[in-house]
Parts: sequence; structure tokens; C-alpha cells
Amino acid sequence: AQKVTQAQTEISVVEKEDVTLDCVYETRDTTYYLFWYKQPPSGELVFLIRRNSFDEQNEISGRYSWNFQKSTSSFNFTITASQVVDSAVYFCALSEALEDTGRRALTFGSGTRLQVQP
Amino acid sequence: KAGVTQTPRYLIKTRGQQVTLSCSPISGHRSVSWYQQTPGQGLQFLFEYFSETQRNKGNFPGRFSGRQFSNSRSEMNVSTLELGDSALYLCASSLEQLARSGEQFFGPGTRLTVL
Repeated sequence: AQKVTQAQTEISVVEKEDVTLDCVYETRDTTYYLFWYKQPPSGELVFLIRRNSFDEQNEISGRYSWNFQKSTSSFNFTITASQVVDSAVYFCALSEALEDTGRRALTFGSGTRLQVQP
Repeated sequence: KAGVTQTPRYLIKTRGQQVTLSCSPISGHRSVSWYQQTPGQGLQFLFEYFSETQRNKGNFPGRFSGRQFSNSRSEMNVSTLELGDSALYLCASSLEQLARSGEQFFGPGTRLTVL
């Protein structure tokens, strides 16, 4: 089973539309962290946000907002009034302690490609 | 402040050869992690080094190895290259260990092509 599922492979919107990228995770760890990264065409991953499992407060940063819901194991990302520069692949990731080793692993979802048309 | 740098940016090798990739973290960062990105498998964690010690390891064969120097620079080595090793290899640095889940800063990657 996928630990991090990003069911939307590709989304295309027109500029100024709002768009939500879904992320569903699976873990048995009680202390875990969730991340969102952006990978523009240049290829360099850009950190967007980190959220720990004890902080369910939603966060807003400019046009970006994140909705963390432990009850549904989801950490969705919304871009308001999208712009062409938002076009990129967005990855959700989970950092958890592995049951067998206790070491921490970072697992990425398969990514959602967002295309914002002018 | 200079970002994470990776060298070389592009590399072409043939099957059976070995390759060494280099990563220089942001000044002051002691954790360096390596990732492999392919169209088929996506982004996968290879390993993390902190203070010259491997702290975490992903599910990759022993052909993939790494090390970290006292100045935090890290190298990744892949021996006996296979066609499936063709990928973008990303390096990330952070102040804290992966266990502390600090913010990671990524380099531009090294694109390795195995012929």
C-alpha cells in the first residue's frame, strides 16, 4: 500500500482559478511530519511547508493554504487565484519512524503536475 | 548564502562502470540526504549522512554507497551501473537530522544516464 497517495496525476486550470491538490498518507507512527515540495521545470525541489502530527492548525501563506486533517489522514494544499508561475509538479511527503529499525524515513508521493494556463 | 551545489550536473556512463557524485551543502548544514528520481519510481530516499555518519538508509542495493567529509560535503557512489540507475540524483541539506525533520534545501541534481 502506498504510504503517501497523490491521486491526481495532472491538473490543468486557467489562471486565477483556485486549485486543491490532495494528499492522503498512511502511518502507524504517532509523531510524524508532513511536507509539501514544489518542483518547477528547472528540477530543483523547493520546500513549501512542514507540519507535525500534533499541529492540526491550518496554515495560510499568501495564496497558499494547507488543510491538515488527522481524522482522514489528509494534508491538502490549495492555491488561490493560481498564476502561470505556479505550474510545477507538487510533491507531498511523509517523515515517519520505521517500525523495524526505529530510524526515520522520508516517503514522497508520486506528485501532481499542475498546469496553469494563461 | 550559497545554496546546495551538486557536481557534475550531467553524466553519461556505460553499464558496469562506477560513478561518484558530489554534493556541497549550505554552509553550516550538517545533514546531507540523497534521493533518486525516476519517471517510473518517483522520488526515493537513498540515505542520510549527519556528522560523517550514515543515519538513515532507504531500500537500495549495496551498489549505492556514500560518505560525508568533515566539512559536511558528501559523495555518493554507484558501482556496477545498470540501465535502471539512469535518474536524476538530488542532494538535500539541512541544519538538523532527518529525525528532527528539519527543512531540507535541495540542489539542482545530477542527471545520470547509463547507456
